[in-house]
Amino acid sequence: DAGITQSPRHKVTETGTPVTLRCHQTENHRYMYWYRQDPGHGLRLIHYSYGVKDTDKGEVSDGYSVSRSKTEDFLLTLESATSSQTSVYFCAIGAGASTGELFFGEGSRLTVL
Amino acid sequence: GESVGLHLPTLSVQEGDNSIINCAYSNSASDYFIWYKQESGKGPQFIIDIRSNMDKRQGQRVTVLLNKTVKHLSLQIAATQPGDSAVYFCAEIYQGAQKLVFGQGTRLTINP
Repeated sequence: DAGITQSPRHKVTETGTPVTLRCHQTENHRYMYWYRQDPGHGLRLIHYSYGVKDTDKGEVSDGYSVSRSKTEDFLLTLESATSSQTSVYFCAIGAGASTGELFFGEGSRLTVL
Repeated sequence: GESVGLHLPTLSVQEGDNSIINCAYSNSASDYFIWYKQESGKGPQFIIDIRSNMDKRQGQRVTVLLNKTVKHLSLQIAATQPGDSAVYFCAEIYQGAQKLVFGQGTRLTINP
């Protein structure tokens, strides 16, 4: 167990509503990542953070924003959820992607109706 | 689980046989490669990694081979066991970047 918790684990919401997913770590890792996993696409990076208040975009960042006000928490927000954002979202933590392994959370399944 | 429903290439092997999972990566500037295993309902888990200055690396029952000429990566699992059933992803890191780019994945199923 790498000390990473995602919440909520399951959420059903309606189109147009805001949604926030939370990733919490107890490992004090510098890097935190949000990925989404969809059929036929594998895992795609949404946003990542390399420190408190330091974030950068991934390959599928449109429609998503993130915040990291504390080392241990990385929030992913969908300002106005759309059906195309129905997916499983994974948070990952690590000392840095190029320095070794990333530890992934259990995933958050989001359904947008 | 989270990986159910993914339309993935599938590899079926007999229990006890060796498995070879292949991956073609896209960027010749990638210098670090990692294999992950994802069991149903769980997040991906690190298996083994290899840097671009190596051709081969071995772990416990697993071997990763890297062919930079054709941008190909393979994961070999020796004496496959039922617990090896999962989806396997290769991931690459572009030189100096801190972002993993994942391949589509291969579903490994074990026949008794």
